[in-house]
Amino acid sequence: NAGVMQNPRHLVRRRGQEARLRCSPMKGHSHVYWYRQLPEEGLKFMVYLQKENIIDESGMPKERFSAEFPKEGPSILRIQQVVRGDSAAYFCASSPTTLAGGGETQYFGPGTRLLVL
Amino acid sequence: DQQVKQNSPSLSVQEGRISILNCDYTNSMFDYFLWYKKYPAEGPTFLISISSIKDKNEDGRFTVFLNKSAKHLSLHIVPSQPGDSAVYFCAARDSGYALNFGKGTSLLVTP
Repeated sequence: NAGVMQNPRHLVRRRGQEARLRCSPMKGHSHVYWYRQLPEEGLKFMVYLQKENIIDESGMPKERFSAEFPKEGPSILRIQQVVRGDSAAYFCASSPTTLAGGGETQYFGPGTRLLVL
Repeated sequence: DQQVKQNSPSLSVQEGRISILNCDYTNSMFDYFLWYKKYPAEGPTFLISISSIKDKNEDGRFTVFLNKSAKHLSLHIVPSQPGDSAVYFCAARDSGYALNFGKGTSLLVTP
């Protein structure tokens, strides 16, 4: 029973390039969440998606960042024209149902460590 | 705006003794609380959770206590083991989707 899968585990990009981070949720989970962790900080919520829908993107920067969760395939977090401040660990989590009104737990993947040179 | 605070960046405990990790929150709308454990270069691993309708939840060596009036929760690990050495994150959510995390407490369990 595979957990949440993320790839790549490490990604190096130069300023101005694009970064694509992938996340496959746990089997049976249809809800995906992306979080970012800066050094010495806790995880910060970015976006919540269900299949083909963005439900809550209140934590996403307004520019350069986008996310999708297509009907087929993994969820993608895309960062265009990366800057050094984008260097962080990006974690994906999944849950079997919406948390609203329930007590479902989010299960995290191993993360992608993005380094922008 | 840090709504979940873990004021102790680090904690050192001897093997076999009790580890107590503390967490405070400011948002009275939070109704579900979780503890995650994280090793370097890995993702957070879910440990234990508690709903606001309870004041205690126990799972093996791990017990979480919730004091709603004080907006405080704590994680007790007893007995502590060297393998428990990790960073522990407290998280909370309201009726929405986002988990709000503290900055973590690094626990070191010494033999």
